[in-house]
Amino acid sequence: EAGVAQSPRYKIIEKRQSVAFWCNPISGHATLYWYQQILGQGPKLLIQFQNNGVVDDSQLPKDRFSAERLKGVDSTLKIQPAKLEDSAVYLCASRLGGQGAYNEQFFGPGTRLTVL
Amino acid sequence: AQSVTQPDIHITVSEGASLELRCNYSYGATPYLFWYVQSPGQGLQLLLKYFSGDTLVQGIKGFEAEFKRSQSSFNLRKPSVHWSDAAEYFCAVVDRPGGYQKVTFGTGTKLQVIP
Repeated sequence: EAGVAQSPRYKIIEKRQSVAFWCNPISGHATLYWYQQILGQGPKLLIQFQNNGVVDDSQLPKDRFSAERLKGVDSTLKIQPAKLEDSAVYLCASRLGGQGAYNEQFFGPGTRLTVL
Repeated sequence: AQSVTQPDIHITVSEGASLELRCNYSYGATPYLFWYVQSPGQGLQLLLKYFSGDTLVQGIKGFEAEFKRSQSSFNLRKPSVHWSDAAEYFCAVVDRPGGYQKVTFGTGTKLQVIP
């Protein structure tokens, strides 16, 4: 079974530029998460999708971050414009079940973003 | 709101020695608890999980964890550490707002293994 795929693995940009990350979850997984992991910290949830609908985006900086999952499969996360403090690893995870179903999240390898 | 505390930022152990990583949580109801491991440049891998039942849970790679409600703890243990266990370990608690799983992670404990 293929795991969660993310691209690119690394990205270096100047501040005020824009950047986009892509995630392809495990086939059949209805729930998709984007996390931000700053160096020395645990992952912080940015946004959670259930199929193509947003379940939780309370910690997403909506003035600069956006995410979509148009067909309920793969997803993109965009930052525009980027700030220095956005330097982090962006992790995508997917999970099979939705409401009331407890099953584990599977994580992708992450995209390491450096903003100069 | 739920929270997770991992009081040890960095731990160093000798290969073959025993290991215990601490995790304390704050949650109003019966918690669902996880331990993940993250190797450099990799995503997170689930080591073990506690939902209910037996408070001592076994995981992969020889790890186990014990849920202690009275202490609000879920410490991770391994009797004999291998060099390949060097990684960062995250404890996490699950909330269920609206019935959907939401995970809150601790800040992690970085494990160094010396020969």
